[in-house]
Amino acid sequence: GESVGLHLPTLSVQEGDNSIINCAYSNSASDYFIWYKQESGKGPQFIIDIRSNMDKRQGQRVTVLLNKTVKHLSLQIAATQPGDSAVYFCAENRQAGTALIFGKGTTLSVSS
Amino acid sequence: DAGVIQSPRHEVTEMGQEVTLRCKPISGHNSLFWYRQTMMRGLELLIYFNNNVPIDDSGMPEDRFSAKMPNASFSTLKIQPSEPRDSAVYFCASTLEGEKLFFGSGTQLSVL
Repeated sequence: GESVGLHLPTLSVQEGDNSIINCAYSNSASDYFIWYKQESGKGPQFIIDIRSNMDKRQGQRVTVLLNKTVKHLSLQIAATQPGDSAVYFCAENRQAGTALIFGKGTTLSVSS
Repeated sequence: DAGVIQSPRHEVTEMGQEVTLRCKPISGHNSLFWYRQTMMRGLELLIYFNNNVPIDDSGMPEDRFSAKMPNASFSTLKIQPSEPRDSAVYFCASTLEGEKLFFGSGTQLSVL
């Protein structure tokens, strides 16, 4: 079965709210995790990544948190904007040099 | 940089016809990946190449699918004969360091 998955298929928020998108993984040996954003009709775009030797990493308006104890990954988006509406995917790399394995995605809908 | 370039953007064909999807990776990238995206199965890895050599083709559905990478700047994914269940969006992605993938805009394939 799918080892990288998402807790909620859809998330609806108001503009200006903070959004949290969750992801669970099953392989404790995975050492690299990444979040992608996919807008309608486009390919996935890189947002932020994190290695297993870290538990938090911040970007511009986005933060990724990694909890290796419970094998959980989350993406936090601060002050969510309508332009953030998209499908968000988490992915893991189970072994260096192999391909990313993607979860099925969470749809984020931002209303103004 | 032009990014990963895929062609065609859209392909409509009849069952039994041969389909060829094309990809030009980002210049200098040494790994290339083909993914397929459907609503039911999400993003699935089909095959990936490292330095033009196929490394893992375990995701290729069946013998009707084949992929080639004759040089560092070009790859093809061929389906022969095509079937309606092959309808999906096919993405090509490339990377240099082996982890963060850069995706093309995809080819929307419809097999009637």
